[in-house]
Amino acid sequence: DGGITQSPKYLFRKEGQNVTLSCEQNLNHDAMYWYRQDPGQGLRLIYYSQIVNDFQKGDIAEGYSVSREKKESFPLTVTSAQKNPTAFYLCASKEDSNTEAFFGQGTRLTVV
Amino acid sequence: GQNIDQPTEMTATEGAIVQINCTYQTSGFNGLFWYQQHAGEAPTFLSYNVLDGLEEKGRFSSFLSRSKGYSYLLLKELQMKDSASYLCAVRVLGQAGTALIFGKGTTLSVSS
Repeated sequence: DGGITQSPKYLFRKEGQNVTLSCEQNLNHDAMYWYRQDPGQGLRLIYYSQIVNDFQKGDIAEGYSVSREKKESFPLTVTSAQKNPTAFYLCASKEDSNTEAFFGQGTRLTVV
Repeated sequence: GQNIDQPTEMTATEGAIVQINCTYQTSGFNGLFWYQQHAGEAPTFLSYNVLDGLEEKGRFSSFLSRSKGYSYLLLKELQMKDSASYLCAVRVLGQAGTALIFGKGTTLSVSS
């Protein structure tokens, strides 16, 4: 079945360590997005990519990095420079000509 | 900048009708989406408006007025399972492509 997959669902890391969150889609979508959600808050855009080998900063890109080497994959690295990384991270993809974005099930990152 | 406003919380009773409002100030407006999100889960698509007017889909309807920067989501015949967060999102078109910007969400509590 086609879909968008994030892994792992729960992730624990020590403070000061970089960590990479996986996002894979087999929907043949061009555009992919990473959002962060804090308790009781909406989704804030971290990075997005319209095509392979190109990506743009969103509203809260500081302390994060991404790559888009393949159409299917858009991994997000949370670096040690991110001051408050504990959050729920959501990846989404959409075909530009379609109307809706499809979301992965999210990764809950806890930094201790 | 981009700004999307929604009420933080709303309450209603089973069987009632509730209207969730969303106002936005964005540049490059290219459509408005409503998503439903249950706690700890990914958002799921509810509706999409790009032209002024009402879109109806079963118990859910969404309205858009582009001149007023205003939308609402109308939920009829409320059920307990409708207790969730409702996210208003605006698609904006810029030089770097399209991005989906979310409001902070409205938490709806349905009681019996």
